[in-house]
Amino acid sequence: ILNVEQSPQSLHVQEGDSTNFTCSFPSSNFYALHWYRWETAKSPEALFVMTLNGDEKKKGRISATLNTKEGYSYLYIKGSQPEDSATYLCAFSGAGNNRKLIWGLGTSLAVNP
Amino acid sequence: GAVVSQHPSWVICKSGTSVKIECRSLDFQATTMFWYRQFPKQSLMLMATSNEGSKATYEQGVEKDKFLINHASLTLSTLTVTSAHPEDSSFYICSAGRGTSGRNYEQYFGPGTRLTVT
Repeated sequence: ILNVEQSPQSLHVQEGDSTNFTCSFPSSNFYALHWYRWETAKSPEALFVMTLNGDEKKKGRISATLNTKEGYSYLYIKGSQPEDSATYLCAFSGAGNNRKLIWGLGTSLAVNP
Repeated sequence: GAVVSQHPSWVICKSGTSVKIECRSLDFQATTMFWYRQFPKQSLMLMATSNEGSKATYEQGVEKDKFLINHASLTLSTLTVTSAHPEDSSFYICSAGRGTSGRNYEQYFGPGTRLTVT
């Protein structure tokens, strides 16, 4: 059974704080790791697709790193803003069926103004 | 670009009736669409992969005769929950794949449909 774990489950921070979350995934048969942001009542929005060990990607104040050998990815948000409040989901795809995404439960972030 | 719509956003139906959910890619063509289900406090679970012009591929444990999928065009896939029962009450969400099946293949999601069966 393939498991994707995310921690913490939820997080409350003050505006301006920097924060990070973890996604753990199977380290064997890795194909890609996806990060999504999901705001309430909206569609999940793709943030990053990460494919190579050591990958680091950045989009504005959000960045992510990838370690495929040990099976984890970190998502960082620098200087959190209230509009960053959302659930951040990661999803793993394996080499056997590379279009099938196995999802974590997500980290729910609330940024207080 | 890469907008996916889903309709309806919520539906309440009586036990034994059927419900159809539509998923459309608005500004791109999607040869493959995916249907997911999410129960409370659980992660998104893939139900089936829908390929335009061919039969859908269902995940283990998903009844293909209960969850009928039609992907008749490159921009529309439908999921019909037949003879719905209260245990089918869930959040159903679709995604459309863009690009080839390489490492940067991405899925773009609709906003989901909340189904409640009474």
